[in-house]
Amino acid sequence: AQSVTQLDSHVSVSEGTPVLLRCNYSSSYSPSLFWYVQHPNKGLQLLLKYTSAATLVKGINGFEAEFKKSETSFHLTKPSAHMSDAAEYFCVVSDLYNNNDMRFGAGTRLTVKP
Amino acid sequence: DGGITQSPKYLFRKEGQNVTLSCEQNLNHDAMYWYRQDPGQGLRLIYYSQIVNDFQKGDIAEGYSVSREKKESFPLTVTSAQKNPTAFYLCASSIGGGIYQETQYFGPGTRLLVL
Repeated sequence: AQSVTQLDSHVSVSEGTPVLLRCNYSSSYSPSLFWYVQHPNKGLQLLLKYTSAATLVKGINGFEAEFKKSETSFHLTKPSAHMSDAAEYFCVVSDLYNNNDMRFGAGTRLTVKP
Repeated sequence: DGGITQSPKYLFRKEGQNVTLSCEQNLNHDAMYWYRQDPGQGLRLIYYSQIVNDFQKGDIAEGYSVSREKKESFPLTVTSAQKNPTAFYLCASSIGGGIYQETQYFGPGTRLLVL
């Protein structure tokens, strides 16, 4: 079965500096990978997703992620953090052989300091 | 204004009581899902439904029940058999039932607390 590991439970950056949230996955076949964001006491919102097209995926709010099959990674990046980026971020994997099963990572809490 | 609504925002349950969480969507999506979120953990799937009058158990279905009598509605009942119900419950929907590549759209959540 597929699984996902978010390597940092908490990341803290200063406003205007780059953001890197790390995600490694395990999948038996060609995976689909997603990043969702959750603001406090809210539902999740899709940031971006990879579905076997271009390996560099651009999402909303200036975020992007790169699918690296050799490293089984799908790290989320943003060149310059904004205060409004402070939230919980979830990496999610699903694959073709587990068609009705999406696996969520434990989440990374991003703090942005002024 | 399309979207997913969940009610109530907060819900309190007494010992031995069943409670029902509401989830409604007007996105015309076929598939709907219920997740449980605990602090420091990712989301865990309770139940999902790919079509009206059909639903499947997820990873942690014990102590929960659902129904899908209408396309727009997917209520979740937390029964007295669920011994640790305190959590944040999220409902989601997607266009079809094959969730391999589909985006899920989430409601705002219901926080359930035990008195």
